[in-house]
Amino acid sequence: DGGITQSPKYLFRKEGQNVTLSCEQNLNHDAMYWYRQDPGQGLRLIYYSQIVNDFQKGDIAEGYSVSREKKESFPLTVTSAQKNPTAFYLCASGVGNQPQHFGDGTRLSIL
Amino acid sequence: GQQVMQIPQYQHVQEGEDFTTYCNSSTTLSNIQWYKQRPGGHPVFLIQLVKSGEVKKQKRLTFQFGEAKKNSSLHITATQTTDVGTYFCAGDDYKLSFGAGTTVTVRA
Repeated sequence: DGGITQSPKYLFRKEGQNVTLSCEQNLNHDAMYWYRQDPGQGLRLIYYSQIVNDFQKGDIAEGYSVSREKKESFPLTVTSAQKNPTAFYLCASGVGNQPQHFGDGTRLSIL
Repeated sequence: GQQVMQIPQYQHVQEGEDFTTYCNSSTTLSNIQWYKQRPGGHPVFLIQLVKSGEVKKQKRLTFQFGEAKKNSSLHITATQTTDVGTYFCAGDDYKLSFGAGTTVTVRA
């Protein structure tokens, strides 16, 4: 089946540690997105990429980094500079302004 | 920048009743999308509206896009327990911006 796979489902980060969240899609979509969701809030855009080897900052990019070396993959690194990283992270992909397809998400917590 | 506001934030509904959630944008949108997120799940696309004044129905759900393409609504009739979840609107101007969502709970 075509879809988006996020891993791991749960992740714990220690103080001062960088962690990387994986996102892979086999939908052949050009665009990929990373969102952060906090309890009772909507989805806030962290980074997005519309084509391989190119990406743009979203509304809350500070403390995060991404890469887009392959069309299928868009990993997100939560760096130690992100002081409040506990959240639900959602990866999505899409084509143009067509609806986005979401992965199952990764829940990140601080130890 | 583009902002999408959604009200109400919470909706507690008696099973069988109707309710409406509203979405307003600070800018004119090229299209608006609605998603549903079940508790513990991820957002799932419901519908996209493109034309001014457009109305679309999906069984008990009715979606409207305002004439000025700056607002939208989702009306659910005869609410069922399967309607539980958070409904997000997402406006597409130059990028997709999500509202904060309306979280729906149903009293049986």
